[in-house]
Amino acid sequence: EVQLLESGGGLVQPGGSLRLSCAASGFTFSSYAMSWVRQAPGKGLEWVSAISGSGGSTYYADSVKGRFTISRDNSKNTLYLQMNSLRAEDTAVYYCAKIPLLIVVVPAVYFDYWGQGTLVTVSS
Amino acid sequence: SYELTQPPSVSVSPGQTARITCSGDALPKQYAYWYQQKPGQAPVLVIYKDSERPSGIPERFSGSSSGTTVTLTISGVQAEDEADYYCQSADSSGTYASWVFGGGTKLTVL
Repeated sequence: EVQLLESGGGLVQPGGSLRLSCAASGFTFSSYAMSWVRQAPGKGLEWVSAISGSGGSTYYADSVKGRFTISRDNSKNTLYLQMNSLRAEDTAVYYCAKIPLLIVVVPAVYFDYWGQGTLVTVSS
Repeated sequence: SYELTQPPSVSVSPGQTARITCSGDALPKQYAYWYQQKPGQAPVLVIYKDSERPSGIPERFSGSSSGTTVTLTISGVQAEDEADYYCQSADSSGTYASWVFGGGTKLTVL
């Protein structure tokens, strides 16, 4: 059974940093691309970032480019999202999601399994 | 930036058919995917590649595509289908690859 467990969320001041983790199990982690998707309170889904199975290719939404960094440790079956220069508008539940591809092929990217999410609140 | 447009809400009575649309200029060239999200829960994939249904998803869920509009159809709606539904596709309009979601449609079962 595929399981994705996010951690690392919490309250952070504007301008601060936070690192999210996603522990994966139930599948061969290194064989699949992964992604982060967020959802602001009461709002819709927003794609944030994606990474190939090897970690060699990364992708970012314009809203986070230059501030967030996605990475993975295939030896630990763990996905990360380093978030710097956080803003109030980054407040959201952050979901880790599995992409059923090894290599990111743009038209075929979708999210077949999701974690339960971790809440990030950016406020002073 | 590229946008996918969904109606904010759709209401149907139990047993009827619900149709949720999603419009986007690139949809004739890109696959669409659909997710169901119930309150306090993570999204669940219900349709992939326009019309394919993942294992475990009831047959009453189906997807179709016509021009710049894709449609999620739920036949014989049940109370448990009440949820938010999001379409998703690729944005190939920019320099870098990215993916977008529609704004979501709240399905109310009357």
